[in-house]
Amino acid sequence: SQTIHQWPATLVQPVGSPLSLECTVEGTSNPNLYWYRQAAGRGLQLLFYSVGIGQISSEVPQNLSASRPQDRQFILSSKKLLLSDSGFYLCAWSVYEGRPEAFFGQGTRLTVV
Amino acid sequence: AQSVAQPEDQVNVAEGNPLTVKCTYSVSGNPYLFWYVQYPNRGLQFLLKYITGDNLVKGSYGFEAEFNKSQTSFHLKKPSALVSDSALYFCAVRDRRMYSSASKIIFGSGTRLSIRP
Repeated sequence: SQTIHQWPATLVQPVGSPLSLECTVEGTSNPNLYWYRQAAGRGLQLLFYSVGIGQISSEVPQNLSASRPQDRQFILSSKKLLLSDSGFYLCAWSVYEGRPEAFFGQGTRLTVV
Repeated sequence: AQSVAQPEDQVNVAEGNPLTVKCTYSVSGNPYLFWYVQYPNRGLQFLLKYITGDNLVKGSYGFEAEFNKSQTSFHLKKPSALVSDSALYFCAVRDRRMYSSASKIIFGSGTRLSIRP
């Protein structure tokens, strides 16, 4: 069966510090991978998605970047965090045929202070 | 461009009564449609999906959703609500055409469902 791991669960970072959130998927190959941000317990904003290694699509211009160095690894980064980067970050995966739905990790609560 | 609208921020229902959480969508062609549930400080859990066929889709925990192509809607329903159904519910849409941006899954703003005893 497939599993998704996302860490850390919580993170408190000072303004101006770098960020690296990692997500890995097990039990499937060539998944689509996603990073979403959820502010204040409300809607999910799609930040990045990837259909393959090194292929990153950005949905919203911002202070963040994403990378996919391996097939089942997706990394969200920032060089200098802003207060507005605080939120709940969720990683997810999907495939195309048969199971088009996304499956989510448990999320990372990021607080920038 | 794909979009999803959940017009109600909150839905309040008495336990045992039927519930409906509304969702409308905008996407070219025939979409995949999904419902998810989120409990506090947790990731989203998949409830059900519409791919093709019967417009009434059954999912987890007794939930079902009705796909209406003419109204571009996919409302979530349950015949008898439980207090434990109280959570945040999200509708989502994905274009089914096979090109790279079809992997995008767009979510609505969420509806908070509150079931009172």
